Amino acid sequence: EVQLLESGGGLVQPGGSLRLSCVTSGFTFKAHAMAWVRQAPGKGPQWVSSTDSIGRSTFYADSVKGRFTISRDNSKNTLYLQMSSLSAEDTAVYYCAKYAISGGGRWFDPWGQGNLVTVSS
Amino acid sequence: DIQMTQSPSSVSASVGDRVTITCRASQGVSTSLAWYQQKPGKAPKLLIYASSSLQSGVPSRFSGSGYGTDFTLTISNLQPEDFATYYCQQADSFPVTFGGGTKVEIK
Repeated sequence: EVQLLESGGGLVQPGGSLRLSCVTSGFTFKAHAMAWVRQAPGKGPQWVSSTDSIGRSTFYADSVKGRFTISRDNSKNTLYLQMSSLSAEDTAVYYCAKYAISGGGRWFDPWGQGNLVTVSS
Repeated sequence: DIQMTQSPSSVSASVGDRVTITCRASQGVSTSLAWYQQKPGKAPKLLIYASSSLQSGVPSRFSGSGYGTDFTLTISNLQPEDFATYYCQQADSFPVTFGGGTKVEIK
């Protein structure tokens, strides 16, 4: 069974930093592109960042570019999201997600359980 | 970015009903569209991909259709476990974007 388990969220002050981790199991992590998707309270999901299977190519939403860094350690089957210069607009549940195998498109399956990041003073 | 607009934002229905949710893209996305189901406190779950393909393990009462800018998700014979919020997502253009959601509530 594919499992994605995020950690590292919590309360952080505006301007602060936080690193999210996503430990995976049940599939060959090093063979799959991965992503972070966030969901602000009461809103639809928003794609944040993606990385290819080896971490060579990374992509970011304009809203986080220059502030967030995605990375992965294929030896530990773990995905990371380093977040800095956080603001209230970054408050959301952050999901780690695997790109689906089905149909070869850029949809996500499965998602992790989510990790709440709250930016507030 | 491509804007995804879902309608209605909420719908009340009874067990056994047929429910149709619409998703409109601000520009054509071919068939690069997915549907997700999300229950409170849980992560979204992929139901439909490539507009009309059913993800493995998803009941056949869920179906999707559409091309270009207009898409629909239909739930036939609504079951108690189907009460949830549904989101569409386009995967044609970077960045991928999601709709605002449609909440299916119990009448």
